[in-house]
Amino acid sequence: TQLLEQSPQFLSIQEGENLTVYCNSSSVFSSLQWYRQEPGEGPVLLVTVVTGGEVKKLKRLTFQFGDARKDSSLHITAAQPGDTGLYLCAGPSPDQAGTALIFGKGTTLSVSS
Amino acid sequence: KAGVTQTPRYLIKTRGQQVTLSCSPISGHRSVSWYQQTPGQGLQFLFEYFSETQRNKGNFPGRFSGRQFSNSRSEMNVSTLELGDSALYLCASSLESSGNTIYFGEGSWLTVV
Repeated sequence: TQLLEQSPQFLSIQEGENLTVYCNSSSVFSSLQWYRQEPGEGPVLLVTVVTGGEVKKLKRLTFQFGDARKDSSLHITAAQPGDTGLYLCAGPSPDQAGTALIFGKGTTLSVSS
Repeated sequence: KAGVTQTPRYLIKTRGQQVTLSCSPISGHRSVSWYQQTPGQGLQFLFEYFSETQRNKGNFPGRFSGRQFSNSRSEMNVSTLELGDSALYLCASSLESSGNTIYFGEGSWLTVV
């Protein structure tokens, strides 16, 4: 059973459209992180959300942490081809100390011009 | 400053062989963790090293091992390779072993034939 479920798995949209990606869990997380991974590269951290109900904005990207700290969403406004990539949510592993993270399987976003 | 460096970037091995992957963390970072990324399972935590000691280990067989040197550089080894070990192996480093952002390298692509 995947502890972090991401949806949709794939998303193909036109430049200028808006989209939302979801990350859901039945478990409470102290924090959740969002990463973007481009082909041939490692994941790059976009944001960390730590407070239930928190909303963070990073240019055209808006991240929200659910009130119960069990879910998060990433909304992209006016998507651009440069937004193409694999979006991953991650949280601290409940079974491990240290820096161990568990990841969702990701949403592959393709934005065409 | 230089990011996380992983070598080699690409390699092909035969079933039954063993492989060693290397990771140089960001200067000053003392924690190094390793992840396996496959299309089917996504990103999965392998293990974390801090001050030359393994702090955490994920749910992988004993064929997967690692170590960390006094300069924080780390290696991971996979013995008796299986076809299912084909994956992108990602190394990540952080300043300390908890509460810090982790930074990923570009990964080592392993193909087992």
